[in-house]
Amino acid sequence: DQQVKQNSPSLSVQEGRISILNCDYTNSMFDYFLWYKKYPAEGPTFLISISSIKDKNEDGRFTVFLNKSAKHLSLHIVPSQPGDSAVYFCAATPAGKLIFGQGTTLQVKP
Amino acid sequence: DAGVTQSPTHLIKTRGQQVTLRCSPISGHKSVSWYQQVLGQGPQFIFQYYEKEERGRGNFPDRFSARQFPNYSSELNVNALLLGDSALYLCASSRGDTTSTDTQYFGPGTRLTVL
Repeated sequence: DQQVKQNSPSLSVQEGRISILNCDYTNSMFDYFLWYKKYPAEGPTFLISISSIKDKNEDGRFTVFLNKSAKHLSLHIVPSQPGDSAVYFCAATPAGKLIFGQGTTLQVKP
Repeated sequence: DAGVTQSPTHLIKTRGQQVTLRCSPISGHKSVSWYQQVLGQGPQFIFQYYEKEERGRGNFPDRFSARQFPNYSSELNVNALLLGDSALYLCASSRGDTTSTDTQYFGPGTRLTVL
């Protein structure tokens, strides 16, 4: 039973354009959400988070949007850069543990 | 400041053996969590420790155990290794707040291969 889902296994965008990564969750009790980026042979790197009391959080080129009624969040990267190419995981954190989606592989083409 | 460190980087074991993985958290962090990541999936929660006490356990068999030391470092032990235990084992540290906004930061992982 996948409580956090990333339905797009991969995404390819052109350098300078917007990347939009999506994530859905099933449990309305989840109240904190995070995005991590992972390069091969490395651990996940924390990118940005959002609390359920907000619907948007920005940090530089990264913005996360939360739609609680739809149980959906998205990560926008603007402008996308080749160095952003990696696997992106969304996660929800009920009771201290992280529940991850399956990940989306982003490729940014020069 | 140093991030989360894990050792060893890589490990090769045979079925039935036992393995111990080690983790040192970020300075000032009191909570350590362990995750297993198999190829093509997101990390799966195994354990969380805070102040040497187990705070949470995921859906893993009793062959998996862990502990946390007074300096907040942690060990993950896996007994009677199976081929399916081959994975990247990730350690994450956090402040240990009981609030849900306690962000976890990950180490580079230990790649375990069971032959």
